[in-house]
Amino acid sequence: TQLLEQSPQFLSIQEGENLTVYCNSSSVFSSLQWYRQEPGEGPVLLVTVVTGGEVKKLKRLTFQFGDARKDSSLHITAAQPGDTGLYLCAGGAGGTSYGKLTFGQGTILTVHP
Amino acid sequence: NAGVTQTPKFQVLKTGQSMTLQCAQDMNHEYMSWYRQDPGMGLRLIHYSVGAGITDQGEVPNGYNVSRSTTEDFPLRLLSAAPSQTSVYFCASNDPDSYNSPLHFGNGTRLTVT
Repeated sequence: TQLLEQSPQFLSIQEGENLTVYCNSSSVFSSLQWYRQEPGEGPVLLVTVVTGGEVKKLKRLTFQFGDARKDSSLHITAAQPGDTGLYLCAGGAGGTSYGKLTFGQGTILTVHP
Repeated sequence: NAGVTQTPKFQVLKTGQSMTLQCAQDMNHEYMSWYRQDPGMGLRLIHYSVGAGITDQGEVPNGYNVSRSTTEDFPLRLLSAAPSQTSVYFCASNDPDSYNSPLHFGNGTRLTVT
């Protein structure tokens, strides 16, 4: 069974601060996705990384996939209250397993004005 | 475009009762899946399907049944509800041929078993 350890579980910061969320595994994944979830809604995809060492930027969010494709990180620069939510990493094994993702435990981010 | 629609949004059951959680998607996606979300545990895969007539078990399948008679629908059946099945259930669909094949989730069904 593949496992993804996500940390920290909770993050409470002030507006303007930077933060990093980590996602680690002992298993290799063919792709790593990051989702964001708001209360009462389903997760929504932010980004997918597929190549070891890949870095993707989405405005103030920077996503990185580890060289060995076992870990990933999400860095938010100058956090805003609108960034508040649950962030989830999810690893995919590829092939016919595209519908089967292994999710981390999630990070609840609260950004205070 | 409705995407993935789940009904009901909330449900309370007594131990031993059965029920079906409905899921429908209008994106013609081949793959559909059911996850449950519990605090501190992320989402865990219950069952998934790679096409009509094809289903398989995920990480936590016990106590749940699924069937996939059409591409659009993927209902989840609780045979005899237990308090351990209190959770939020999410249905998702994805297109295996699309770039990176992101999951499209419904808005969930919050189930309480007393």
